[in-house]
Amino acid sequence: NAGVTQTPKFQVLKTGQSMTLQCAQDMNHEYMSWYRQDPGMGLRLIHYSVGAGITDQGEVPNGYNVSRSTTEDFPLRLLSAAPSQTSVYFCASSYGGGALRRTDTQYFGPGTRLTVL
Amino acid sequence: GQQVMQIPQYQHVQEGEDFTTYCNSSTTLSNIQWYKQRPGGHPVFLIQLVKSGEVKKQKRLTFQFGEAKKNSSLHITATQTTDVGTYFCAGQYNFNKFYFGSGTKLNVKP
Repeated sequence: NAGVTQTPKFQVLKTGQSMTLQCAQDMNHEYMSWYRQDPGMGLRLIHYSVGAGITDQGEVPNGYNVSRSTTEDFPLRLLSAAPSQTSVYFCASSYGGGALRRTDTQYFGPGTRLTVL
Repeated sequence: GQQVMQIPQYQHVQEGEDFTTYCNSSTTLSNIQWYKQRPGGHPVFLIQLVKSGEVKKQKRLTFQFGEAKKNSSLHITATQTTDVGTYFCAGQYNFNKFYFGSGTKLNVKP
């Protein structure tokens, strides 16, 4: 198993550009999520999904879109990049969540380091 | 809004000393998870606590969940240089959204 994979590892954007961060998992997990990590602030939840076709907002959803067309993939789209979106982005997946009323180990991907100029 | 507070922000210890980090929520959590992140790495799951008053041990690590399910702690006995990293708690209120604490960065001097 590859676990959770993320691409790209590094990205530099100019203000106003759009891009998609890719996330995939091969563990057949229903629950997937996106976090951003800024220095001294821990990880903040952007969006999450409890299964294909089901997504919901986290703490800091503004400026980001997600969709979940398959169990494996959960891409994060930046609509119009801003310097405030400079951060490290982590994708995670877990068994359970939602209607199962249980969430298990969260497996994190290696992260994408994004800089917006 | 819901928030999980974590203290201290930093802890510097001599190898062999003990270490404790604390997490606190103003409202009752459904469960809490603990993670370790090495410099430049990604968070790695350590444990999940679900029951009120639960205590779990992993070798030198002891995890506790308070009776009211509003606080939790991670205690490391006799730290080693391999324990270096940032420790995060992550609380859930409804089994969906995770709220991470800001983390405690542990430095261990040999």
